[in-house]
Amino acid sequence: DAGVIQSPRHEVTEMGQEVTLRCKPISGHDYLFWYRQTMMRGLELLIYFNNNVPIDDSGMPEDRFSAKMPNASFSTLKIQPSEPRDSAVYFCASSLAGAKGDTQYFGPGTRLTVL
Amino acid sequence: AQSVAQPEDQVNVAEGNPLTVKCTYSVSGNPYLFWYVQYPNRGLQFLLKYITGDNLVKGSYGFEAEFNKSQTSFHLKKPSALVSDSALYFCAVRDRGSQGNLIFGKGTKLSVKP
Repeated sequence: DAGVIQSPRHEVTEMGQEVTLRCKPISGHDYLFWYRQTMMRGLELLIYFNNNVPIDDSGMPEDRFSAKMPNASFSTLKIQPSEPRDSAVYFCASSLAGAKGDTQYFGPGTRLTVL
Repeated sequence: AQSVAQPEDQVNVAEGNPLTVKCTYSVSGNPYLFWYVQYPNRGLQFLLKYITGDNLVKGSYGFEAEFNKSQTSFHLKKPSALVSDSALYFCAVRDRGSQGNLIFGKGTKLSVKP
């Protein structure tokens, strides 16, 4: 299995530009999570989906952030317009619901730098 | 409400010595408990989890963790630390009665010196 795939791995953009991060979860997993990691705030959950439906988006910082999951194998996290304080590493994770504890498997992350 | 506490921001250990990374949790029901490790510039990697049964859980790379219900703890341990164990370690919890999300601790940086 290829694991969770994220693209791009690195993104450098200028303030005000739109940024789109992409994630392909592990095949068959029905939960997908977006996290953000910074030195100051640690690991933060932004939003998660179950069967392509957003369940909890309370961690999305503001309206500039949006996430979609059009099908079971693809999700995007969009920032429009981007700001320097959005600079962070963004992780996608997926898991399979069930009685075995829902282990989340993380992708390698996208390192976003907003200048 | 669910929560996880990792009381130590950093743990320093000499190579070959035993290591412990502490974790305590709070859930309303019975927990699922997890440990993840993050190496520099990498994503989080699953190490081990407690679901039910034996309180001592063995995981990857020689790590183990002991579930202690009375102390609501799930400390990560290894009998003999390696320099390559140096990384950031995260504890996570989910109430068995809930679905979906895990609650992660803030992480503990483990530094193993030769």
